[in-house]
Amino acid sequence: GAVVSQHPSRVICKSGTSVKIECRSLDFQATTMFWYRQFPKQSLMLMATSNEGSKATYEQGVEKDKFLINHASLTLSTLTVTSAHPEDSSFYICSCEIPGATNEKLFFGSGTQLSVL
Amino acid sequence: KQEVTQIPAALSVPEGENLVLNCSFTDSAIYNLQWFRQDPGKGLTSLLLIQSSQREQTSGRLNASLDKSSGRSTLYIAASQPGDSATYLCAVRRVQGAQKLVFGQGTRLTINP
Repeated sequence: GAVVSQHPSRVICKSGTSVKIECRSLDFQATTMFWYRQFPKQSLMLMATSNEGSKATYEQGVEKDKFLINHASLTLSTLTVTSAHPEDSSFYICSCEIPGATNEKLFFGSGTQLSVL
Repeated sequence: KQEVTQIPAALSVPEGENLVLNCSFTDSAIYNLQWFRQDPGKGLTSLLLIQSSQREQTSGRLNASLDKSSGRSTLYIAASQPGDSATYLCAVRRVQGAQKLVFGQGTRLTINP
């Protein structure tokens, strides 16, 4: 199946710092990538949709200035959590869809556990 | 607004048993439904995807069914093994091309040797 690489897998940072998370599609070009967030024992919630070469689309309630998304190439999208605070501690995971796939199956990265002290 | 519920939240069974995980959704107008497996602190692995026109899909010891009219899907796991221990998530997509998957909260499955 398609491979999506996400890095880092775990990060611990001090409050007020910024953290960048990378999501790469390794064997296909992804014009669209999705960023999800998962709090402990809760479901995954879509944060934003990242479109190559254009601005990301954010879900209601997600601050675009706090969660900066850059999708500069067809294989890489980045999520930057700016001025992170303890309440931003969560599991962040990206996903990609194979272009043209009729079933529109999503493939997920391995996720990033962010802990803000 | 689409809501997806999974019951039970947690399940523990001895090795070798057959088991069923349940997923229900409030809006039957879906394009497809996907079952995922998530290991602790890891990403999601797609297990089965059922299109709205289909009633079931099978892969190895896994069988997923879909009853769109009643808003239900089940994931059947045959001859469970300790390696099946994980959290199982179902997610629905409303329409073709819709970018938003709505996830259930998952069922945390433990298979005891």
